[in-house]
Amino acid sequence: GQQVMQIPQYQHVQEGEDFTTYCNSSTTLSNIQWYKQRPGGHPVFLIQLVKSGEVKKQKRLTFQFGEAKKNSSLHITATQTTDVGTYFCSFSGSARQLTFGSGTQLTVLP
Amino acid sequence: EADIYQTPRYLVIGTGKKITLECSQTMGHDKMYWYQQDPGMELHLIHYSYGVNSTEKGDLSSESTVSRIRTEHFPLTLESARPSHTSQYLCASSSLNTEAFFGQGTRLTVV
Repeated sequence: GQQVMQIPQYQHVQEGEDFTTYCNSSTTLSNIQWYKQRPGGHPVFLIQLVKSGEVKKQKRLTFQFGEAKKNSSLHITATQTTDVGTYFCSFSGSARQLTFGSGTQLTVLP
Repeated sequence: EADIYQTPRYLVIGTGKKITLECSQTMGHDKMYWYQQDPGMELHLIHYSYGVNSTEKGDLSSESTVSRIRTEHFPLTLESARPSHTSQYLCASSSLNTEAFFGQGTRLTVV
């Protein structure tokens, strides 16, 4: 079935450093969503990207969807301790189920 | 705030017991999902539904079953709990091509 690789699995950064997580698919995606899960919490929707080459920003977060719609990235500028959590990409599979990438755990050291 | 609820939040149960995890949403969403997640790890899809009387198994092999008799209700049943079922179970719902809303989760421990 459709596979999405998400890297890195873990990332430790010093507060103020930038952070990027990537999702790469073997097939073209109709859309991609990003979620954040705080420790002990549940995933919360951040954004959805639909168009080829789309770029969206939310304050310090920048989301990109590749031209071929096979990859996506989430970039955080100048991380803060409130950014700690696991970031997941997700997509609708061929059977229309909602599948998640393996996630990137972000630790921000003060 | 999302209107999707899971009960119980925490459950400790003995091996071999039958349990049902409840999930309800008041948003009128057609799609509902059950995921299993160990702390800080991947979300594994175990069941999903497109609407009433529609259920499908996900990628993770599971000894659980689900039903979707009403749009708002999507319970998950384990016929015979085992220690390997110890995990967090997350329920989610969505409309077509829109964001998914998650419940708070049920943390299950089988002893």
